[in-house]
Amino acid sequence: GAVVSQHPSWVICKSGTSVKIECRSLDFQATTMFWYRQFPKQSLMLMATSNEGSKATYEQGVEKDKFLINHASLTLSTLTVTSAHPEDSSFYICSARGVNEQFFGPGTRLTVL
Amino acid sequence: RKEVEQDPGPFNVPEGATVAFNCTYSNSASQSFFWYRQDCRKEPKLLMSVYSSGNEDGRFTAQLNRASQYISLLIRDSKLSDSATYLCVVFIGGTALIFGKGTTLSVSS
Repeated sequence: GAVVSQHPSWVICKSGTSVKIECRSLDFQATTMFWYRQFPKQSLMLMATSNEGSKATYEQGVEKDKFLINHASLTLSTLTVTSAHPEDSSFYICSARGVNEQFFGPGTRLTVL
Repeated sequence: RKEVEQDPGPFNVPEGATVAFNCTYSNSASQSFFWYRQDCRKEPKLLMSVYSSGNEDGRFTAQLNRASQYISLLIRDSKLSDSATYLCVVFIGGTALIFGKGTTLSVSS
């Protein structure tokens, strides 16, 4: 099946710093990618829909100025967590929609100290 | 009311047992339905799609009842490797997938 990669797979940072997470579709073009967040023992919660060449669509309660999304090409979307705080520590997963299936990246575990 | 609700779990069963998970969804406009499997600290992976006519894949059987807005997953002859969290997932159309909270299965020898 199609492959979606994420980088980095894990990151530890100090409070107040910014962290960029990359999501790439390796063997297909994705006009739409999705960013999810999952807290321990919780379901995946959609944060935003990333559209190539246009602004992302954010879900209610997700601060667009804090979670910056850029989808500059058909194979790359980035999520930047700005001024990260300990409550932002979570598992961030991107996904890209193929023809008949949605493929998920391996996730990025963010820990903010 | 949450869009996708699942059995609270966890389910602890011995090897060889049959176990069933239930799921309900609230949006009658939901178009597609899936069961995903998620291992600890990993991304979710598609287990199988769910159709009104039922869908069987080896030891796994999924059922959809649109009238009741109810989805089920049956696992027969449980294996140790089946231990994971099973996510009920709904696609409403034009949006991302909507995930249930998941039901944890632990199969022991």
